[in-house]
Amino acid sequence: QLQLQESGPGLVKPSETLSLTCTVSGVSISSSSYYWGWIRQPPGKGLEWIGSIHYSGSTYHNPSLKSRVTISVDTSKNQFSLDLSSVAAADTAVYYCARHRSASIFGVLDYWGQGSLVTVSS
Amino acid sequence: QSVLTQPPSASGTPGQRVTISCSGSSSNIGSNAVNWYQQLPGTAPKLLIYNNNQRPSGVPGRFSVFKSGTSPSLAISGLQSEDEADYYCATWDDSLHGWVFGGGTKLTVL
Repeated sequence: QLQLQESGPGLVKPSETLSLTCTVSGVSISSSSYYWGWIRQPPGKGLEWIGSIHYSGSTYHNPSLKSRVTISVDTSKNQFSLDLSSVAAADTAVYYCARHRSASIFGVLDYWGQGSLVTVSS
Repeated sequence: QSVLTQPPSASGTPGQRVTISCSGSSSNIGSNAVNWYQQLPGTAPKLLIYNNNQRPSGVPGRFSVFKSGTSPSLAISGLQSEDEADYYCATWDDSLHGWVFGGGTKLTVL
């Protein structure tokens, strides 16, 4: 059974880099069949797609965040990661990792992790 | 401001049918499949409808999608108390080259 689990610091200081990891179990991240994505949700607000990656290294990013986002994959650990630089209070959110249903970026995000709350504060 | 527009709230009584609309443009819902998520309080979004009108295994047939003009709408029939949640539409946007979501609709079961 596919499971995704986010992990990382719950508190990040302004101007620093937010780093999160998503550990995937139940399927190999090296499978060419899927893209893997990050989505966030500020408290009380809606969902925002951050970006997605294929194990081959192909990535897509939200244009509004692109300059600050790095998404990478570690096939040896069956994980993919998110780095968001120069964070501010507006980056406070629950961060979700999820799987795209197909080997295309157009595949729907079908399986989601439980989410990880990251607060940006000094 | 979300790229896809949903009503902020909707409500109904048990047993009723409620609908939630999702409007966008030719670069998103006009040219790509629309998907719907249900988010119960304090939990991650759950895929409810994909590829415009497909239900994942386990999603009751009470959830369906119809098109009103060019905009898709999620319909929930036989409303139940456990349907009280936030609902989001989502699709790919060809102009933005990314996934976009609606602002979400909070459904209250009266």
